[in-house]
Amino acid sequence: EVQLVESGGGLVQPGGSLKLSCAVSGFTFSGSAVHWVRQASGKGLEWVGRIRSKANSYATAYAASVKGRFAISREDSKNTAYLQMNRLKSEDTAVYYCTTGPNYHDTSAYSDSWGQGALVTVSS
Amino acid sequence: QSVLTQPPSVSGAPGQRVTISCTGSSSNIGAGSDVHWYQQLPGTAPKLLIYGNTNRPSGVPDRFSGSKSGTSASLAITGLQAEDEADYYCQSFDSSLSGSVFGGGTKLTVL
Repeated sequence: EVQLVESGGGLVQPGGSLKLSCAVSGFTFSGSAVHWVRQASGKGLEWVGRIRSKANSYATAYAASVKGRFAISREDSKNTAYLQMNRLKSEDTAVYYCTTGPNYHDTSAYSDSWGQGALVTVSS
Repeated sequence: QSVLTQPPSVSGAPGQRVTISCTGSSSNIGAGSDVHWYQQLPGTAPKLLIYGNTNRPSGVPDRFSGSKSGTSASLAITGLQAEDEADYYCQSFDSSLSGSVFGGGTKLTVL
């Protein structure tokens, strides 16, 4: 059974940092791409960014709203992906989903497995 | 405002057919990027419903189907059931933004 479990969410002050982890099991993680998607309360889905597999040099891409502040990484040996969030703003408050999908070109990429989400609240 | 435009809500009676549109532009759907659809039941994580414009993952009923034409795509649900009541999102890749984008979401109400 495919499982993605996010951890590391919580309350952080504006300007602070937080690192989310995503532990994956049940399939070949190393060959998959990882995407992070967030959802503010009562709002729609927003793509945050992605990291491709080693075969594609662990290439990363980010939404304009987080570029330069967020960084995605992965440790294939631990079947784990990470989302490092720096210089957090109140508008970053959301549930953050870790997702995986085939390591396709961006024009065809999609998420076929999702975690349960981790709540990040940015507030003083 | 989302790059991909969906109607905020649609509704239908049990057994009926409903469609949800996803309108993009020449930098995403019109550029040939694939469209994918997700279903989000209340209080749960999204679930992949359609990938690559028309393909259903295993386990998704054939009542759900996807299509794409020009700068738009559509999700059709036939034989509507109470358990289909959920939010539906389309997704594609936008070359101008160099990133994936979601539609604003459509709330389906089964009357």
